[in-house]
Amino acid sequence: QVQLQQSGPGLVNPSQTLSLTCAISGDSVSSNSAAWNWIRQSPSRGLEWLGRTLYRSTWYNDYAISVKGRITIDTDTSKNQLSLQLNSVTPEDTGVYYCARGLIVGATRSAYYYHMDVWGKGTTVTVSS
Amino acid sequence: DIQMTQSPSSLSASVGDRVTITCRASQGINNYLAWFQQKPGKAPKSLIYAASRLQSGVPSKFSGSGSGTDFTLTISSLQPEDFATYYCQQYNSYPYTFGQGTKLEIK
Repeated sequence: QVQLQQSGPGLVNPSQTLSLTCAISGDSVSSNSAAWNWIRQSPSRGLEWLGRTLYRSTWYNDYAISVKGRITIDTDTSKNQLSLQLNSVTPEDTGVYYCARGLIVGATRSAYYYHMDVWGKGTTVTVSS
Repeated sequence: DIQMTQSPSSLSASVGDRVTITCRASQGINNYLAWFQQKPGKAPKSLIYAASRLQSGVPSKFSGSGSGTDFTLTISSLQPEDFATYYCQQYNSYPYTFGQGTKLEIK
């Protein structure tokens, strides 16, 4: 059974860096049939996908334009976990942050399609001084 | 970005009722659509993927249909534990996008 255990601070000062980790059990962060995602939720923005990482002989990352330039998703294969760093945060970055596994559920000759089937419990992050 | 629009935004129903929630994509997404259930203070839970495929362990009272731009989630014989917020989400292309949610409340 796949489980995702999130950790990280619940309070971040404005202009600082938000850092969260997601420890994976029951699957591998290097799996060639999965992608690993970060999503956040706030009353003003709803559910917002932030980015994903996946390993296919090398690491690939995709990020949402809304956070591109401020976001880094990284992995630690020795700990089987992924991490999220979001720089220069403002109160607009306040919300609940989730990690989620994306499992391949469809494919064409040119693309794979991933369904986010397992989610972490979420970390509430408040950006405030 | 692909916009996902759900209707209604809220819905009142009684135990035992059958309800349908609609989700419309701003452009065609084939059948790359998922439905999630979320209860207060909890993470979204996968119910359906590929528009109509039931996630393992999810009861068959949940069903989905549609392709292209128009999709529906139907819940039959509502029970107290089904009252929650439901979201659709497309995974046809990045960035993944979600509907705004439909809050299902007890009448």
